[in-house]
Amino acid sequence: GAVVSQHPSRVICKSGTSVKIECRSLDFQATTMFWYRQFPKQSLMLMATSNEGSKATYEQGVEKDKFLINHASLTLSTLTVTSAHPEDSSFYICSAGGAAVNEQFFGPGTRLTVL
Amino acid sequence: AQKITQTQPGMFVQEKEAVTLDCTYDTSDPSYGLFWYKQPSSGEMIFLIYQGSYDQQNATEGRYSLNFQKARKSANLVISASQLGDSAMYFCAMREGWAKAAGNKLTFGGGTRVLVKP
Repeated sequence: GAVVSQHPSRVICKSGTSVKIECRSLDFQATTMFWYRQFPKQSLMLMATSNEGSKATYEQGVEKDKFLINHASLTLSTLTVTSAHPEDSSFYICSAGGAAVNEQFFGPGTRLTVL
Repeated sequence: AQKITQTQPGMFVQEKEAVTLDCTYDTSDPSYGLFWYKQPSSGEMIFLIYQGSYDQQNATEGRYSLNFQKARKSANLVISASQLGDSAMYFCAMREGWAKAAGNKLTFGGGTRVLVKP
């Protein structure tokens, strides 16, 4: 099946710094990718839809200036958490559609800890 | 209202037995898709099974089957012959509207934690 990778898998940063998370589709092109956030013992919540070559679409309540999304190529979307604070500590997961319309592949996730 | 509801926060199952995980959904869109994912402690989301709203037959994938009851808006996952490696969180998710080749955003339920006992 299709593979989606994320980098880094874990990151610890100081409060106030920015962190960039990469999501790559390894063996297919993804015009659309999705970014989810998962707090401990909770479900995945969609943050935004990343569109190649255009602006991301953010879900209600997600600050677009805080969570910057760039989808500059058909295989790469990046999520930058700007001026991170401890409450941004979470598990961030990206996903992309596969060749079949019922396929939705997820990256392995990035665990962000803000001190 | 919750779009996807999983009423069982956690459950134990004996190895080799079958287990049913409940999922109910709420949508007014006639076209939708229902997914089940497994999330082990590593955090990765592993796709298990898919059911489209117009699919006549219940989906099956190996030991996984989906009990799709459209009128009741339920899509329960049945895992047969449970194995120790099945211990994980299980999420039901829904795509509303027609599937898009570019990818589909999903709404997830709260999840059910399954622990398989030897």
